[in-house]
Amino acid sequence: KAGVTQTPRYLIKTRGQQVTLSCSPISGHRSVSWYQQTPGQGLQFLFEYFSETQRNKGNFPGRFSGRQFSNSRSEMNVSTLELGDSALYLCASSLGASQNPYGYTFGSGTRLTVV
Amino acid sequence: SQQGEEDPQALSIQEGENATMNCSYKTSINNLQWYRQNSGRGLVHLILIRSNEREKHSGRLRVTLDTSKKSSSLLITASRAADTASYFCATITSGTYKYIFGTGTRLKVLA
Repeated sequence: KAGVTQTPRYLIKTRGQQVTLSCSPISGHRSVSWYQQTPGQGLQFLFEYFSETQRNKGNFPGRFSGRQFSNSRSEMNVSTLELGDSALYLCASSLGASQNPYGYTFGSGTRLTVV
Repeated sequence: SQQGEEDPQALSIQEGENATMNCSYKTSINNLQWYRQNSGRGLVHLILIRSNEREKHSGRLRVTLDTSKKSSSLLITASRAADTASYFCATITSGTYKYIFGTGTRLKVLA
């Protein structure tokens, strides 16, 4: 079956702009989580959605937001981009019916560069 | 701060040798997982060990869990150049739905 698809793969934006990243989970997976990965901070949890509801949120400013659609596809949005938002953004899907006993399946990520 | 902290941060070994990396965490967990990441790509799930398990094997991988010490180790036996990657542990705190990843161990296997 198809894996987790993230689009776009690469993105270059200017400070102050906004960006929307997309994630299509594995068919049948209802939970989608987003992570930011940077060399200095490692993998930081952004948020997790299950059946269109945000169940958990990490410690990121309100400029970072997300949503999940009825088909489980998810988008995350970053407004008023800052240089420090340059990172690899990873989406992970799972069955999510309980506390995820089977592990995540990750997408290949979106590499965002803010200039 | 990170829930999981791996050590060493970096490890360089010869092909055929065993590689051991460790992970420590801070709170009660339901399970602990190990992931591999190649060159800034997505992470690949390797193995999951539940809090009531002490050891688990999968091919050349062996994972141990010591909940009293809040630590886990990943052993890769007979390493290959293709094992060169970063390895992360991830834990999910009881009562939450979010995984916290460790800082990772960068493994380099020399041919």
